[in-house]
Amino acid sequence: GVTQSPTHLIKTRGQQVTLRCSSQSGHNTVSWYQQALGQGPQFIFQYYREEENGRGNFPPRFSGLQFPNDSSELNVNALELDDSALYLCASSLGSGGSYEQYFGPGTRLTVT
Amino acid sequence: AQRVTQPEKLLSVFKGAPVELKCNYSYSGSPELFWYVQYSRQRLQLLLRHISRESIKGFTADLNKGETSFHLKKPFAQEEDSAMYYCALSGRDDYKLSFGAGTTVTVRA
Repeated sequence: GVTQSPTHLIKTRGQQVTLRCSSQSGHNTVSWYQQALGQGPQFIFQYYREEENGRGNFPPRFSGLQFPNDSSELNVNALELDDSALYLCASSLGSGGSYEQYFGPGTRLTVT
Repeated sequence: AQRVTQPEKLLSVFKGAPVELKCNYSYSGSPELFWYVQYSRQRLQLLLRHISRESIKGFTADLNKGETSFHLKKPFAQEEDSAMYYCALSGRDDYKLSFGAGTTVTVRA
């Protein structure tokens, strides 16, 4: 299945953070979501065959990478307090939201 | 802009009673609707999608384009149905999946 690391992370405002995800084998697409407390997941961006092919309403300081070995990263620069959230990655068999998303357990980021 | 609204944050029903979770959406194109579920201490997973038109764990959902709704229903709730349910929307050629805020369902014995 989809795995994510680390499970929890505490950072200070202004710092940078890298979150990691390992997709389900055979999936060529990974999407990242931010889930604030009491809210549904919000789409950050999607990577298909190592290229970003769609982005939600998030600033450029949110960036990502997808590697050929089923792994991917979410990088957030200049952390703000509002970045505190659960970050979910999801892999799928194809690009597009209509493909079933297979979610990881999430990384809980706290920004102080 | 696409938007998914789940008007109920919390829903409590007795075991054996019917349960209905409401979902309304706005989307300018041809929508594809989904229900995702998260059971306690488990990860988010797909429950059902409107194009499959199948019943999963006794749940069904009908897409009503006139009312822009995709309500989830089960005639007889079970305790194992207690979970967080999210309605989600995408377009046929859209990369983005948009979620509602979710409804927590508690089924009481």
